[in-house]
Amino acid sequence: GAVVSQHPSRVICKSGTSVKIECRSLDFQATTMFWYRQFPKQSLMLMATSNEGSKATYEQGVEKDKFLINHASLTLSTLTVTSAHPEDSSFYICSATRLAGNTGELFFGEGSRLTVL
Amino acid sequence: RKEVEQDPGPFNVPEGATVAFNCTYSNSASQSFFWYRQDCRKEPKLLMSVYSSGNEDGRFTAQLNRASQYISLLIRDSKLSDSATYLCVVNREGNQGGKLIFGQGTELSVKP
Repeated sequence: GAVVSQHPSRVICKSGTSVKIECRSLDFQATTMFWYRQFPKQSLMLMATSNEGSKATYEQGVEKDKFLINHASLTLSTLTVTSAHPEDSSFYICSATRLAGNTGELFFGEGSRLTVL
Repeated sequence: RKEVEQDPGPFNVPEGATVAFNCTYSNSASQSFFWYRQDCRKEPKLLMSVYSSGNEDGRFTAQLNRASQYISLLIRDSKLSDSATYLCVVNREGNQGGKLIFGQGTELSVKP
């Protein structure tokens, strides 16, 4: 089956630093990847849609200069949380759709848990 | 109003019980619908897609009412392993990719 891998799975950083999270589709090409954020006891909230070779589309209320997204290839998208603050502590999850044979199903990464001290 | 709203939980049921989850969505242009399951601190996993005609997968039955913009999930003969958070999910833009919008989830706890 399709596999999407995220790295790192867990990161702790100091306030003010930047953190990069990678999302890779391991056995398929992903035209589109999505980044979600989930706070404790809350549902996933879509942050942005990442398309290979073009700028990401951000949801309302998500700061594009704060959450930098790069989708340089059909198998890799990165999310960089710049100048992280404690309120950015959250569970970040990426997902991807296939390029070929798209059934509408999204394949999720394992998630990255960010803790900003 | 949230775009996708679910029953508030948690649901605490004994093994073998039947439990139903309800969900409504506000965007009438929504194209496709899903139930996902999320275990604690894990990524969500697709449980089943929801079709207008209703569909069943073993102990799980999903229903969609487009006129009422309502989705349901029925779990029969619940097992301890069914304990998880169930997420009602709507795809705004149809089956060819598109954005998944998640409900807040309903937590289910199945007790022995």
